[in-house]
Amino acid sequence: GDSVTQMEGPVTLSEEAFLTINCTYTATGYPSLFWYVQYPGEGLQLLLKATKADDKGSNKGFEATYRKETTSFHLEKGSVQVSDSAVYFCALRGTQGGSEKLVFGKGTKLTVNP
Amino acid sequence: GAGVSQSPSNKVTEKGKDVELRCDPISGHTALYWYRQSLGQGLEFLIYFQGNSAPDKSGLPSDRFSAERTGGSVSTLTIQRTQQEDSAVYLCASSQRNSGANVLTFGAGSRLTVL
Repeated sequence: GDSVTQMEGPVTLSEEAFLTINCTYTATGYPSLFWYVQYPGEGLQLLLKATKADDKGSNKGFEATYRKETTSFHLEKGSVQVSDSAVYFCALRGTQGGSEKLVFGKGTKLTVNP
Repeated sequence: GAGVSQSPSNKVTEKGKDVELRCDPISGHTALYWYRQSLGQGLEFLIYFQGNSAPDKSGLPSDRFSAERTGGSVSTLTIQRTQQEDSAVYLCASSQRNSGANVLTFGAGSRLTVL
């Protein structure tokens, strides 16, 4: 079945450091890919998405490119801020069998220190 | 409503008791999902409702878990004879059926603690 693997955390960075959170997936067909974020004490919310190969999703300085050849959707940000401290979830919506459920990775906790 | 509303926000129960968790999705959203978030386990899919179609129950962990969605709106997740391993945050999400990339809007969750 469809699955998502993302790097285990926790990840601790200093402010203005470069961030990469790796995400790879296994799915048949052409899934849509997402990054969701959960800030402390808040609910999950969409950060960015990409629906086809080579698409780049971006939001709040974060970017991720849908790489079908490597089945990856790595999240990057050039200069993190303390306010980026949160748990980040990579997810996919597959196409096999018509199921529209989202499959999530286990999450990566990011802490940014001033 | 403006967002996905879940109740109760916190529930503490004794092992063996039944619990009901409620989700009120965004008005007009035809798709509704339940997920479970446990420490270190990420987000585990439980069940998905889409309009009048048969729900996708493939993620329900045992027959103690059931869910219904009345009138295509409010949903209730029921856990019978709760066990300590059921302790988790139960998240509800909804989306528009015709949203091409199926973006989910999540509620704040119901934290269940089974003693």
